[in-house]
Amino acid sequence: EDQVTQSPEALRLQEGESSSLNCSYTVSGLRGLFWYRQDPGKGPEFLFTLYSAGEEKEKERLKATLTKKESFLHITAPKPEDSATYLCAVQDYGNNRLAFGKGNQVVVIP
Amino acid sequence: NAGVTQTPKFQVLKTGQSMTLQCAQDMNHEYMSWYRQDPGMGLRLIHYSVGAGITDQGEVPNGYNVSRSTTEDFPLRLLSAAPSQTSVYFCASREDRGKNEQFFGPGTRLTVL
Repeated sequence: EDQVTQSPEALRLQEGESSSLNCSYTVSGLRGLFWYRQDPGKGPEFLFTLYSAGEEKEKERLKATLTKKESFLHITAPKPEDSATYLCAVQDYGNNRLAFGKGNQVVVIP
Repeated sequence: NAGVTQTPKFQVLKTGQSMTLQCAQDMNHEYMSWYRQDPGMGLRLIHYSVGAGITDQGEVPNGYNVSRSTTEDFPLRLLSAAPSQTSVYFCASREDRGKNEQFFGPGTRLTVL
């Protein structure tokens, strides 16, 4: 069974204080790893897909990286608008389904 | 494009009542799915569909039915609501098996008393 564990569960950052979120996963064969952002009361919003170890993707202050066992979402010089819950999900070659982690709740304090 | 739309946004039911959560997408996506999100549990897949006329069960299908008569619509039916079905429900769609960018609707917050 696919498993996804995200840490830390919650994180408070000062504006400008860079940090990283971790997503550890177990799958039989990784088809893709996905990061989403979710604001309170809204649906998840797609950020990145990573397909193979060593791959990196960037969007504004966010950078996602992937190894064979985990992914990191680096937040560089965060701003209050980066406050959200970040969700990690994996898909293996065996099925179409995404297995989600419980999320990293990030609060950026001005 | 409106993307993925869901109605209603909020709903309160009594135990034993039935209802249908509506989901529609205007992106001509083949793959659609329903998730529920509970505190401390993450998103869990209820049912999914890979195209019109084809549906399958996800991780937590009990108490829910789905059908897919058109590409655009994927309603979720609660047959006899139970308090354990109190949750936030999200519908999602993506282009097909090979396209992994999944678009989510705004969600329906359901309370069962």
